[in-house]
Order: sequence, then structure tokens, then C-alpha cells
Amino acid sequence: EAQVTQNPRYLITVTGKKLTVTCSQNMNHEYMSWYRQDPGLGLRQIYYSMNVEVTDKGDVPEGYKVSRKEKRNFPLILESPSPNQTSLYFCASSPGSTNYEQYFGPGTRLTVT
Amino acid sequence: ILNVEQSPQSLHVQEGDSTNFTCSFPSSNFYALHWYRWETAKSPEALFVMTLNGDEKKKGRISATLNTKEGYSYLYIKGSQPEDSATYLCAFRAAGNKLTFGGGTRVLVKP
Repeated sequence: EAQVTQNPRYLITVTGKKLTVTCSQNMNHEYMSWYRQDPGLGLRQIYYSMNVEVTDKGDVPEGYKVSRKEKRNFPLILESPSPNQTSLYFCASSPGSTNYEQYFGPGTRLTVT
Repeated sequence: ILNVEQSPQSLHVQEGDSTNFTCSFPSSNFYALHWYRWETAKSPEALFVMTLNGDEKKKGRISATLNTKEGYSYLYIKGSQPEDSATYLCAFRAAGNKLTFGGGTRVLVKP
């Protein structure tokens, strides 16, 4: 089954404790992206990647890192999480540029205390 | 950050009625306009990706139009059903591959 998977789905952590949210797709998509969703603010793009070793900032990249060492994986790294990073995070992928529809993962709800 | 606005923020529709709502985006540097349907506790699902001025797309009872010169897109739902209740998101692509989402229109269809 074609899908985008994220792990973990739920995470409660403390300020400053490094964490990684994994994202994997099995559709051989070139484009992958991370979004966060906050009430009243809609989906905001954090980082995106056009292909292996090619990443670029979205609108809200501060406090996040990403890497794209393999085509299928695009992990989101929070080196020192803070409470303002409490949010619902979505990973998405698409076959090429953003002229193609995006396929979203199930979401990761992160709480930083 | 680009300004992508959706209106109204929410609307209530009686079952069987038709409705429409708007996505406004910058009229310069247009590359693509996406529409997604997002049901509560699920992930957004793609409805349409539109790239040409004057584009019209249709999927079942849902259709969309695009005007890139004036910077707006309409989404129409014909004969609304309770299963159409969801938040509808639009997303705008300018040059580059960044995607900017609007705040969404939350649709509630009352039986």
C-alpha cells in the first residue's frame, strides 16, 4: 500500500531533550516536506526537500533540522525542543515539484513541557 | 511569507444545499494552487492541483475554478452531504517549491 508513515504518532517530552520524528514514504517520491499545524494558523511549512541531499527552508524553520540521506526518509530533528514547538506535525511527499498533489502522513502530536 | 487567505473561516450548510468558498492568493509569480480536504482526526487529502488560469476541475460533487490574474480560486460543493463536513484547505505555490497554506474553511453540513 502506497503510504507516508510517521513515528511516533504521539510524544510528550521535556524542554531541551533532543528528539527525532521519522517520516518514510514508499512511493519513490522526490519531494518531501514537513508542516506544523497550530490552531488558527493553518498548516505552515517547516522544511522541504526536492531530492536526496537537497533541502530548503519553509516559512517556519527556526528550531528544526532535517536531513535527506535516502530518498524514502526525511526525519525532522528538534535539537532542543521548547514549549512553543508543541504542535501537530505532518510529513508529506509528492512525485516532483509542488505542481503535484501531496500525500500526507498520519501526523505526530508533540507536547513539550 | 506569502498571504493566502480563505473565506469564510467556517460555514454551516443544510444537507442538499450547494455552497462555495474562496481562496485568495498573490497574483504574481503563480505556479500552482492546491485544494485539500481535511477531516477531523485524519490527514489532509488532495482534491485538486490547478496550474493554468481558467482551469476548472471536478471530482464528484466538488469542483474548483482558478483565476490567476486576479488571484482567487473558488471551491464548490453541489448538493452537500453530511460526509462533506471537513476543513477545506488551499495552498499556493510561487516560484521555488515552497507551499503556503491558507487558514482553511470549515464546512459543517447539517442533516
